Amino acid sequence: GDSVTQMEGPVTLSEEAFLTINCTYTATGYPSLFWYVQYPGEGLQLLLKATKADDKGSNKGFEATYRKETTSFHLEKGSVQVSDSAVYFCALSGTYNNNDMRFGAGTRLTVKP
Amino acid sequence: NAGVTQTPKFQVLKTGQSMTLQCAQDMNHNSMYWYRQDPGMGLRLIYYSASEGTTDKGEVPNGYNVSRLNKREFSLRLESAAPSQTSVYFCASSPSYVSRADTQYFGPGTRLTVL
Repeated sequence: GDSVTQMEGPVTLSEEAFLTINCTYTATGYPSLFWYVQYPGEGLQLLLKATKADDKGSNKGFEATYRKETTSFHLEKGSVQVSDSAVYFCALSGTYNNNDMRFGAGTRLTVKP
Repeated sequence: NAGVTQTPKFQVLKTGQSMTLQCAQDMNHNSMYWYRQDPGMGLRLIYYSASEGTTDKGEVPNGYNVSRLNKREFSLRLESAAPSQTSVYFCASSPSYVSRADTQYFGPGTRLTVL
């Protein structure tokens, strides 16, 4: 079945460091790909998404490109801040045009001043 | 505009007890979802409802029932709680009936412990 694999954490970086969180997927159709972020004590919220191959999603300095050839959707940010500390989830949705969204296990990021 | 609200925030049950988790959204969304979040496993879909009056099983439906009471409300019931149902439960909603590109909007979660 469809699945998402993302890099294990936790990831600890210093402020202004470059961030990459790897995400690869397995899907039989043409999924949409998402990154969600979960801040402590809160529900998930959308960070960015891409709905077709070669699309780039971006938001708040984060970006990710939908790479069909490598089945990947890696999250990057050029300069992280302490406020970026959170858990990041990669997800895919609807290879058969339904509502079934599959999430990766999550990667916890801690940014130190 | 409250978005997606869930009650209660925390709950402790004994094995065999029953309870209902409540969820409501005020965004006029058609689809609603229930997920559970367990350490190291991400979120897994329990049930979803693409529209009022319809519900479908997700990845882990066993031990749960749902009711789509109206367009706003979607409840999750545990008839006989088991320790394996200790988890954080999230409700979510999305605008469309069926759309692979839809963003889902999440509530703050209910932390359930079954002793």
